[in-house]
Amino acid sequence: QQQVKQSPQSLIVQKGGISIINCAYENTAFDYFPWYQQFPGKGPALLIAIRPDVSEKKEGRFTISFNKSAKQFSLHIMDSQPGDSATYFCAASTMIYNQGGKLIFGQGTELSVKP
Amino acid sequence: GAVVSQHPSWVICKSGTSVKIECRSLDFQATTMFWYRQFPKQSLMLMATSNEGSKATYEQGVEKDKFLINHASLTLSTLTVTSAHPEDSSFYICSAIGASPDTQYFGPGTRLTVL
Repeated sequence: QQQVKQSPQSLIVQKGGISIINCAYENTAFDYFPWYQQFPGKGPALLIAIRPDVSEKKEGRFTISFNKSAKQFSLHIMDSQPGDSATYFCAASTMIYNQGGKLIFGQGTELSVKP
Repeated sequence: GAVVSQHPSWVICKSGTSVKIECRSLDFQATTMFWYRQFPKQSLMLMATSNEGSKATYEQGVEKDKFLINHASLTLSTLTVTSAHPEDSSFYICSAIGASPDTQYFGPGTRLTVL
């Protein structure tokens, strides 16, 4: 029940296209859903995050869509650029059950944007 | 703001030796720090959660006697891999939480290679 399932495992997109990565969770206690971007040999960097009280959040070219009833959320990268090529991780956490801040990560998606 | 550093960025050691990795929050006080390990092409696996001045909480399956964590101050946590073996070779990443309990800021990671 603590799992976060992420798909696809890898994704190839043409420059200018839309990259879409999906995540699903089971634990309804999760109340914070961040996305992280990781380049090879580097630590993850927070990209964008959402809470269950909104269905969508947009920051620049990055948008999170959140479907509470389906327990799914996704990351959309508009106008994808070669510089976006990285591994993306979704995650979830809950502040209750003494789990404050503990992130459960998805399996990761390796995105490659072709010029 | 919200910068987390790690030292060293990489380390090579002989089997049987101990290695200490430092994690520092540079511009904020970290109430909680987390330690993760990441194998190539895999997701981040939480090893332990540490709060300043108290014992770390280890995840199931993580040997607390092998991975010693000390969170001596609000800006410094250390991970010591004791009697390291080749199977301990991995990418170790720390993260820290400051004023906002949700947002985790990650360090750049430490590549450990045990010969």
